[in-house]
Amino acid sequence: SAVISQKPSRDICQRGTSLTIQCQVDSQVTMMFWYRQQPGQSLTLIATANQGSEATYESGFVIDKFPISRPNLTFSTLTVSNMSPEDSSIYLCSVVGGLAGGHSYEQYFGPGTRLTVT
Amino acid sequence: GQNIDQPTEMTATEGAIVQINCTYQTSGFNGLFWYQQHAGEAPTFLSYNVLDGLEEKGRFSSFLSRSKGYSYLLLKELQMKDSASYLCAVRDWELTGGGNKLTFGTGTQLKVEL
Repeated sequence: SAVISQKPSRDICQRGTSLTIQCQVDSQVTMMFWYRQQPGQSLTLIATANQGSEATYESGFVIDKFPISRPNLTFSTLTVSNMSPEDSSIYLCSVVGGLAGGHSYEQYFGPGTRLTVT
Repeated sequence: GQNIDQPTEMTATEGAIVQINCTYQTSGFNGLFWYQQHAGEAPTFLSYNVLDGLEEKGRFSSFLSRSKGYSYLLLKELQMKDSASYLCAVRDWELTGGGNKLTFGTGTQLKVEL
């Protein structure tokens, strides 16, 4: 079956710094998304990563804080900029369509990146 | 906006059957998903319903009634490893993400006991 991988799996960062998270899928997928899951909470969509164009952000999330790239159909990055302790969360890449053994409408999640900001 | 409700926690006995309910309100329904999430791990896809009725997949079944805005996840022959959080998520055509945005409920923490 296809695999979604994320790097890094976890990191501890200092306030004011930035971290770039990578998401790699081993097959082409139609859509890629970035979600956040804060401690004890459910998942919240940050943005849709659009291939070859600017990402579409949800209310409450802005490009300056969470710049996203998607240069092709298998790869995307999310940067968490100028971090504060409130950014401590799990960041998850999600994809729709194209995974081997799955249907085009199913949505899958990567293993997540656990970020702690001190 | 969307409103998704599911119980916060449930407890069941190993070998038993448990039903986790989810109610939702949305204007452009485009499918309902159930995910399993163990502590510290990413959500794992369990089921997808877009038409009314029951979808069965091994020990897990999911039911949808679009007119009632209601779904349930049925887990049979419970095992200790089924202890996890179960997330109900709804996809809406009218939202961003090309109709693929998922809005998640807060999750139901299931504890399976001996």
